[in-house]
Amino acid sequence: NAGVTQTPKFRILKIGQSMTLQCTQDMNHNYMYWYRQDPGMGLKLIYYSVGAGITDKGEVPNGYNVSRSTTEDFPLRLELAAPSQTSVYFCASSASGAGVETQYFGPGTRLLVL
Amino acid sequence: DAKTTQPNSMESNEEEPVHLPCNHSTISGTDYIHWYRQLPSQGPEYVIHGLTSNVNNRMASLAIAEDRKSSTLILHRATLRDAAVYYCILRDGAGGGADGLTFGKGTHLIIQP
Repeated sequence: NAGVTQTPKFRILKIGQSMTLQCTQDMNHNYMYWYRQDPGMGLKLIYYSVGAGITDKGEVPNGYNVSRSTTEDFPLRLELAAPSQTSVYFCASSASGAGVETQYFGPGTRLLVL
Repeated sequence: DAKTTQPNSMESNEEEPVHLPCNHSTISGTDYIHWYRQLPSQGPEYVIHGLTSNVNNRMASLAIAEDRKSSTLILHRATLRDAAVYYCILRDGAGGGADGLTFGKGTHLIIQP
C-alpha cells in the first residue's frame, strides 16, 4: 500500500492565482482530513470528510474549498492565493472518526505564495 | 478535546532512554491519550495510544498516571532517527471524532550522538 499520497511536493504561487492540492489514499478509509502547518506550530484542521459526498469545515476553512467525489480522493482548492496561505499542507485519512482510531498522514505539500 | 501541556524541548543522548511528559489535568473519562511524532520535513506518524493501562509497542511505551492527569512516552533506547517533534493528543472515545486531531506545539526532542 502506498498509504496517503500528495501532489505536488512544492509549489510557488503568485498572489491571486489558484491551484488544487491533490490527496489520494489507498486504504479504503472513509474519513479524510486536510491540515495546514505554519512554521514552528502544530497542525490546524482546514476541512474534513466522513465519506464520499460529505465534507465539513474545520478550524481554519477560509480561503479553501474541498470536494469528495470518491472514497480515495480529497482535493483541496485555493481560489485566490494570499501570502497568509504560505504553509505546509498535510492530508490524512482514518478508517473512522472514533477516538481510538489512528490517522495516517501524507508527506505534505509545501506552498509559497508571493 | 481537552488540552495537553508538554515541554517545548528536551535533549537526550543516543542509546539512552527518553521520557517525554504530558500533562492533561482536564482529561475526561472517555478520552484516549494519543502520541504522534513528526520527523523533519515529514508528516506526523502515529506512535502509540492508551486509555487507562500502560501500553507497549515496537516503537515505544506509554505510562499513564493512575489519576490519568498525566502520561509519559518512553523511548527505551533513543537513536538519532528518533529526533522529532512529539505530540501528545487527547481524543474523545465517546464522540464521533470526525473533527480531526488537535495539535499543540509538541516537544522537540534532540538526540545527541
